[in-house]
Amino acid sequence: DTEVTQTPKHLVMGMTNKKSLKCEQHMGHRAMYWYKQKAKKPPELMFVYSYEKLSINESVPSRFSPECPNSSLLNLHLHALQPEDSALYLCASSQAPSGPSYNEQFFGPGTRLTVL
Amino acid sequence: GQQVMQIPQYQHVQEGEDFTTYCNSSTTLSNIQWYKQRPGGHPVFLIQLVKSGEVKKQKRLTFQFGEAKKNSSLHITATQTTDVGTYFCAGRRYGNKLVFGAGTILRVKS
Repeated sequence: DTEVTQTPKHLVMGMTNKKSLKCEQHMGHRAMYWYKQKAKKPPELMFVYSYEKLSINESVPSRFSPECPNSSLLNLHLHALQPEDSALYLCASSQAPSGPSYNEQFFGPGTRLTVL
Repeated sequence: GQQVMQIPQYQHVQEGEDFTTYCNSSTTLSNIQWYKQRPGGHPVFLIQLVKSGEVKKQKRLTFQFGEAKKNSSLHITATQTTDVGTYFCAGRRYGNKLVFGAGTILRVKS
């Protein structure tokens, strides 16, 4: 299984709602990522988990809260979002780094989020 | 901070013509990766370059990594309509962090 799955595919939420995005992989990867991608822009790194521990937080606002319950799952909890947070949220995974040559990232299909 | 510049932003070519996109980093990279994102899709890994001056080929695609490990290029020979999409380079300096270039949108006219 070389797939990263994400749910839901689409999400519409109000600014006062609380919702969660979910990501799952069964490739035995120990690094997982959240990216935000706006239209016609590159993916923008938000968070990195390595061995289930948060290793990188790219100064993301606290209304985004990541969680890694186990090595296969990654969640992104959303609360009090703003309309400008509307974007495609991509999850990715890779083998944990082991030496100078790191491996590719496998991306999920993304969750298209609209904040009203 | 680390930046990866990518040009051109857009390229429209006639089917059968060649296409090249270029990336340049402000700092020396440990490696560079290339991804393709089809319209409405997600980034898909194409290749990773690690060594200074490395050249790799995948059928009609040729990838190069500069001697100083600061620049890279992707060249597609004789483009086909299936090549349509956005091509991103992504540089890694250290650790798990990839920095993506802005991407080059390729359109192919048949």
